[in-house]
Amino acid sequence: SSELTQDPAVSVALGQTVRITCQGDSLRSYYASWYQQKPGQAPVLVIYGKNNRPSGIPDRFSGSSSGNTASLTITGAQAEDEADYYCNSRDSSGNLVVFGGGTKLTVL
Amino acid sequence: QITLKESGPTLVKPTQTLTLTCTFSGFSLSTSGVGVGWIRQPPGKALEWLALIYWDDDKRYSPSLKSRLTITKDTSKNQVVLTMTNMDPVDTATYYCARLVVVAATYYFDYWGQGTLVTVSS
Repeated sequence: SSELTQDPAVSVALGQTVRITCQGDSLRSYYASWYQQKPGQAPVLVIYGKNNRPSGIPDRFSGSSSGNTASLTITGAQAEDEADYYCNSRDSSGNLVVFGGGTKLTVL
Repeated sequence: QITLKESGPTLVKPTQTLTLTCTFSGFSLSTSGVGVGWIRQPPGKALEWLALIYWDDDKRYSPSLKSRLTITKDTSKNQVVLTMTNMDPVDTATYYCARLVVVAATYYFDYWGQGTLVTVSS
């Protein structure tokens, strides 16, 4: 079982804002990173650290954290944002890597 | 430009040992704060972290698979090799390698290979 918990599925109307969450004890000590994965493709990093976007990632993607919960927010969701989203961090010991179970985002 | 590419067999038989190679370019695995990890994804399922090797040769393994995994690096060849013993059909998955960056409390895989599908079947 994963030490990071995500909702299996979330939906959002086109142009609206959606928040995808990731819960885990390790998130009290470590930042989560977030990955977008479209069918048949490798994951792509979209948010890392406190709230950093790699080059090329639209600014509608943002990250935040509070307590044991990290959040990925998409402000003004686009059709091309429909994908699976995974969070990732260290485990509670700080020694190992963990991924969340993923959230399937549907843009209506 | 940073790239990573996985290579290895696409089909292995049950009980065999899988050897996968990650060949990368655009960075050095001797640079502090850098590592390479292996992550797999069974068809239709979530990502699962397998193993990680750091710039200083520190190695970490998924607890559930630790007894079956070995990760090594060849810095001069820019390669990381993962071996997994006693393969089973449940190990059928796409296997990815990815570059890890560690900066204090920030820990992320910023570049990924395209992945290689490994099928375990007799």
